[in-house]
Amino acid sequence: GAVVSQHPSWVICKSGTSVKIECRSLDFQATTMFWYRQFPKQSLMLMATSNEGSKATYEQGVEKDKFLINHASLTLSTLTVTSAHPEDSSFYICSASMRSTSTDTQYFGPGTRLTVL
Amino acid sequence: SQKIEQNSEALNIQEGKTATLTCNYTNYSPAYLQWYRQDPGRGPVFLLLIRENEKEKRKERLKVTFDTTLKQSLFHITASQPADSATYLCALPSGSARQLTFGSGTQLTVLP
Repeated sequence: GAVVSQHPSWVICKSGTSVKIECRSLDFQATTMFWYRQFPKQSLMLMATSNEGSKATYEQGVEKDKFLINHASLTLSTLTVTSAHPEDSSFYICSASMRSTSTDTQYFGPGTRLTVL
Repeated sequence: SQKIEQNSEALNIQEGKTATLTCNYTNYSPAYLQWYRQDPGRGPVFLLLIRENEKEKRKERLKVTFDTTLKQSLFHITASQPADSATYLCALPSGSARQLTFGSGTQLTVLP
């Protein structure tokens, strides 16, 4: 149980285009979903927290107009990188925490490798 | 400000030995601490959670200790195997909405 999927697993795009990444909890309802970015040899950096039906909360330094998050249901959140630039190239990982638990265990998706040319 | 440090960036050990990884934190009073495993190009996988009132937790070959006085957690893998090679991350709760803050990770390599 507690499986989270991400799609696509990798994407290459041209500078200036937008890319959408989907995150789904497959077998549970997620109270909250999180989006992280990870650069090579570095740890996960939280970008934003989203709850179903409400606006995402962004971490300091993350541009909300650039990284659009939509959390349409208890099992789906999307991250859209708008007007992507080469510096946005990174590994994007989503996670979800389960509605029924009292702890903050997060279940992670497999990640999406974004390369912006 | 809150800070999490994992003692070494990389750790190499011989197969069969016990690997010990350290996670130190400052300016936190966490109710619990978590350990995750991350393989290259993959998302982290939850391993263990230990609460502030628990001194030790075990799961198969894994053992975690939590010393809230020292502000430190130790993560042990006994009888290590090459398949245990991965990056191990500790994480502490932060924020009001179930966020986690991760340490930088320790890359463990178990040599055959």
